[in-house]
Amino acid sequence: ELKVEQNPLFLSMQEGKNYTIYCNYSTTSDRLYWYRQDPGKSLESLFVLLSNGAVKQEGRLMASLDTKARLSTLHITAAVHDLSATYFCAVDMYGGSRLTFGEGTQLTVNP
Amino acid sequence: NAGVTQTPKFQVLKTGQSMTLQCAQDMNHEYMSWYRQDPGMGLRLIHYSVGAGITDQGEVPNGYNVSRSTTEDFPLRLLSAAPSQTSVYFCASSVGTSAEQFFGPGTRLTVL
Repeated sequence: ELKVEQNPLFLSMQEGKNYTIYCNYSTTSDRLYWYRQDPGKSLESLFVLLSNGAVKQEGRLMASLDTKARLSTLHITAAVHDLSATYFCAVDMYGGSRLTFGEGTQLTVNP
Repeated sequence: NAGVTQTPKFQVLKTGQSMTLQCAQDMNHEYMSWYRQDPGMGLRLIHYSVGAGITDQGEVPNGYNVSRSTTEDFPLRLLSAAPSQTSVYFCASSVGTSAEQFFGPGTRLTVL
């Protein structure tokens, strides 16, 4: 059974600081996704990582994938308040876009 | 393009009632999925489809049925609603394996 674990689950940080969210998964896969969810809203796709060593960046967010370690990271650089949201990683182990999600990391960026 | 649409946005049911949650996409995506999201948890896959006429169970299929008669539509049926089915339901679609999934706005369901 595939398990996807994120840590931390809650993260409170100051504006301007850097931090990393970790996503560990239990079974081999080279398809990992990051999503953002604002309160009461749907999920917004951030990154699609499809190979070992993949790195993608968008603004203050950078995601990477290490399939051998079964680990993905979402790095936040110089956080701003607008980044406050819940971030989910999800793994597609079986294909067919059948995603297994982590519990989510609730990020709060304080002024 | 409207993307992925879901109706209704909100629904309250009594235990034992049945209903259908509608999902449609206009992007000609082959893959569609239904997830539920419970408080403090990630999403869990209920059912999915890799094309018209093809459906299969996900992680939590009990109490739900699906069908896929067209590429565009993927309705989710609750056969006999139970309080444990109180949740937010999201429909998603993608063009294929390894592609990003686009999520609908969700249906917030309460079963009394």
